[in-house]
Amino acid sequence: DTGVSQNPRHKITKRGQNVTFRCDPISEHNRLYWYRQTLGQGPEFLTYFQNEAQLEKSRLLSDRFSAERPKGSFSTLEIQRTEQGDSAMYLCASSHRGTGTEAFFGQGTRLTVV
Amino acid sequence: SQQGEEDPQALSIQEGENATMNCSYKTSINNLQWYRQNSGRGLVHLILIRSNEREKHSGRLRVTLDTSKKSSSLLITASRAADTASYFCATDTQGGSEKLVFGKGTKLTVNP
Repeated sequence: DTGVSQNPRHKITKRGQNVTFRCDPISEHNRLYWYRQTLGQGPEFLTYFQNEAQLEKSRLLSDRFSAERPKGSFSTLEIQRTEQGDSAMYLCASSHRGTGTEAFFGQGTRLTVV
Repeated sequence: SQQGEEDPQALSIQEGENATMNCSYKTSINNLQWYRQNSGRGLVHLILIRSNEREKHSGRLRVTLDTSKKSSSLLITASRAADTASYFCATDTQGGSEKLVFGKGTKLTVNP
C-alpha cells in the first residue's frame, strides 16, 4: 500500500502523559500536513512541512505540541502533558504540489485522554 | 476558525435519488475541494475546482462554484448506499498559506 500511513491508529493515555504519533507520507510527496478533528467538526490545520522544514504552524499548536520531519520523510507529532481537551483524531496528509492539488490523508490516530 | 459552512448538516435520501450539498466560505480563494469521510476514517479527495472554473464533473459528481456568492455545491447523482459518509468542502487561503480550511461537513445517509 503506497498511501499515507499513520501509527498508532488508536491511543488511550492518562492525563499528563506524553504521546507521540507517526506519519509516513506518500514517498514522492514533499509536503506534509497535520490536522486535528474533533467529533462533529471538520479537520483543523495544525502544521505544515515542506521537506524537512516546518513552514507553518497554527495557533492551535500550543507549546505542548511539537512536530518534526527529519530528513523530509516521515513525521512525528508529540503532545506533552496531555489534557482531556487534546482528545481528538489527528490526521496526517501529504501532497506533491501544495493546495493546488489534492491532499492524500491517512486513516488518522484517535487519541483519548482519560 | 473554520471558514466553510456546509448545508445541510445532515441529509437522508433513498438509493437512486440525487444528493445536493452546499458550502459557503468567507474569504477569496484560489481553489475549493470536496472530500468524503467514512465514519472514523481518513478523508478521501473527490474533486478540486479552481476559482476561474464554474462547474466541474467527475463520474456521478458535479461541483459548481460561484465566487461572487462565495459558495459551492456538490451534487451526487443516482446515489448508492456506499455514498453514505460525511462530505466536507475545503478551501485554500490566498496569501501563500498552505493550509486547507474545512467546513463542519454534511452527513449524508443513503438508505437502500
